[in-house]
Amino acid sequence: AQSVAQPEDQVNVAEGNPLTVKCTYSVSGNPYLFWYVQYPNRGLQFLLKYITGDNLVKGSYGFEAEFNKSQTSFHLKKPSALVSDSALYFCAVPRAVNDYKLSFGAGTTVTVRA
Amino acid sequence: NAGVTQTPKFQVLKTGQSMTLQCAQDMNHEYMSWYRQDPGMGLRLIHYSVGAGITDQGEVPNGYNVSRSTTEDFPLRLLSAAPSQTSVYFCASSLRLPSSGNTIYFGEGSWLTVV
Repeated sequence: AQSVAQPEDQVNVAEGNPLTVKCTYSVSGNPYLFWYVQYPNRGLQFLLKYITGDNLVKGSYGFEAEFNKSQTSFHLKKPSALVSDSALYFCAVPRAVNDYKLSFGAGTTVTVRA
Repeated sequence: NAGVTQTPKFQVLKTGQSMTLQCAQDMNHEYMSWYRQDPGMGLRLIHYSVGAGITDQGEVPNGYNVSRSTTEDFPLRLLSAAPSQTSVYFCASSLRLPSSGNTIYFGEGSWLTVV
């Protein structure tokens, strides 16, 4: 089965500093990779996805993600973090070819301090 | 532009009671599913549907029942609530398979406590 891993449980950054949330993947063939964000007591909101093409994918709320095939990574980035970016972030990949289910990483809690 | 709508947002049940979590999507998506989210367990798939009249079990189906009589609606029924079913439940939908690059959209969640 295809999977993703998020090596950091928590990321702490100061407001205005760059934010990076790491994700590595294990897939067969071409990967489809997704990032979601979950704010407290809210559902998962789709941020962006990689299908094919440009390695730099731009998404919602000023986030972008860089696909790196050689390092099997899909790190989420934001050039200048806001306090309001404090949330739980999930990387995800389809569990298998022709599978409906997404396999999620364990999640990374981002705290942006003022 | 409602997307995926879940009700209720919060619910407290007594052990043994039954209830239905409602889910509706207005995007004409073929695929719908229910996940539960528990601390340290991540998101686990309960049931899913690939179209009206078609449902199948996910990873943790025991104690839950679903039906898909229309494209829009996918209710989740708890048959006899148990404390182990205390969780946050998310309904989700996508146009086609995410393995084809389609995005899964999630509802806002239903917080269920069984006492």
